[in-house]
Amino acid sequence: GDSVTQMEGPVTLSEEAFLTINCTYTATGYPSLFWYVQYPGEGLQLLLKATKADDKGSNKGFEATYRKETTSFHLEKGSVQVSDSAVYFCALSDKLIFGTGTRLQVFP
Amino acid sequence: DTAVSQTPKYLVTQMGNDKSIKCEQNLGHDTMYWYKQDSKKFLKIMFSYNNKELIINETVPNRFSPKSPDKAHLNLHINSLELGDSAVYFCASSQEPGGNQPQHFGDGTRLSIL
Repeated sequence: GDSVTQMEGPVTLSEEAFLTINCTYTATGYPSLFWYVQYPGEGLQLLLKATKADDKGSNKGFEATYRKETTSFHLEKGSVQVSDSAVYFCALSDKLIFGTGTRLQVFP
Repeated sequence: DTAVSQTPKYLVTQMGNDKSIKCEQNLGHDTMYWYKQDSKKFLKIMFSYNNKELIINETVPNRFSPKSPDKAHLNLHINSLELGDSAVYFCASSQEPGGNQPQHFGDGTRLSIL
């Protein structure tokens, strides 16, 4: 069946470091892919999305490219800030399937 | 101007009790959802309604009963609460079911069973 696999966290970085959070998926058809972010005590918020192969979603310095050949949607940011500390979820929207979440901790 | 609001934010109760969580969205969306997030942050869909009609009903104990009086509201009633029901419950909405539309989430209701 359809599934999403994310790298386990926590990911611990210093401020201004480069971030990659890996996400791979298994799906039939051509689903839309999403990254959501959850800050402490809050609900999930959409961070970015891509609806077809080779689309690049971007928002707040974060980027992810829909790679059909590698069935991946890795999240990247060139320079993280302390305020980026949160849990990040990769999701297959069509089937309402979320990854297990990756906690990012950024230290000054 | 909160888009998706849930009440209460915290709910502490004893095993065996019956409780309800309310959810309202003012985005004009047609579709609403309930998710359960466990202590390891794993998020699982429980129910989805589209225009007041149930469209997704995952393997959830029948102690959980959603009710949608109109398309802006989706409440969750839980009977005979058990220890394993302790979790954070999130309500969400989207313009239409599945597809390319992102979901908008409430801030969650943290349910603790004593």
